[in-house]
Amino acid sequence: DSGVTQTPKHLITATGQRVTLRCSPRSGDLSVYWYQQSLDQGLQFLIQYYNGEERAKGNILERFSAQQFPDLHSELNLSSLELGDSALYFCASSGSGEQYFGPGTRLTVT
Amino acid sequence: GQQLNQSPQSMFIQEGEDVSMNCTSSSIFNTWLWYKQEPGEGPVLLIALYKAGELTSNGRLTAQFGITRKDSFLNISASIPSDVGIYFCAGRNNNAGNMLTFGGGTRLMVKP
Repeated sequence: DSGVTQTPKHLITATGQRVTLRCSPRSGDLSVYWYQQSLDQGLQFLIQYYNGEERAKGNILERFSAQQFPDLHSELNLSSLELGDSALYFCASSGSGEQYFGPGTRLTVT
Repeated sequence: GQQLNQSPQSMFIQEGEDVSMNCTSSSIFNTWLWYKQEPGEGPVLLIALYKAGELTSNGRLTAQFGITRKDSFLNISASIPSDVGIYFCAGRNNNAGNMLTFGGGTRLMVKP
């Protein structure tokens, strides 16, 4: 158990819909990262937050957004969903060391 | 952007055999990491390498940070069935924040 929690574990929704994925970092970690894992693209970095502020941005679509709240949990919002958005979404957190990953949310868009 | 080429893509070996996998990059990384992912789980950190030429072990696992800083390899000695999973290399360039760039993964299957 990495100490990073993600909810929900599975999510099935229709094209055009909007979903919110939630992540709670390890106790004391100020940084939260979001990654997408798909069969064709592998593990891709999306975005990083540090203590509530956006720190780095990767290949994140404009339809996707994230935020980190004062209690340090983070949410990833995915809107206008397309079939190609079906993937595993991982959250990771770090303090002064390396990133530890949560168990992921499997998103299926039908 | 930066790309990591990881090979082999998959390996099917006999229990007790040694395993070797590697990653190469088109550009330099300051840190190399190796993660393992099992079905239904997130990647778990195995080994972290911070210095060119560094050789680090974690039990039966040994990893090296290449001298050119563009490659890394992971060896697993005397494989056992619980080594089954997907192994990922990841690189970090300190000039690009703390984001990780991942290789495509090596799927390891062990025959008892």
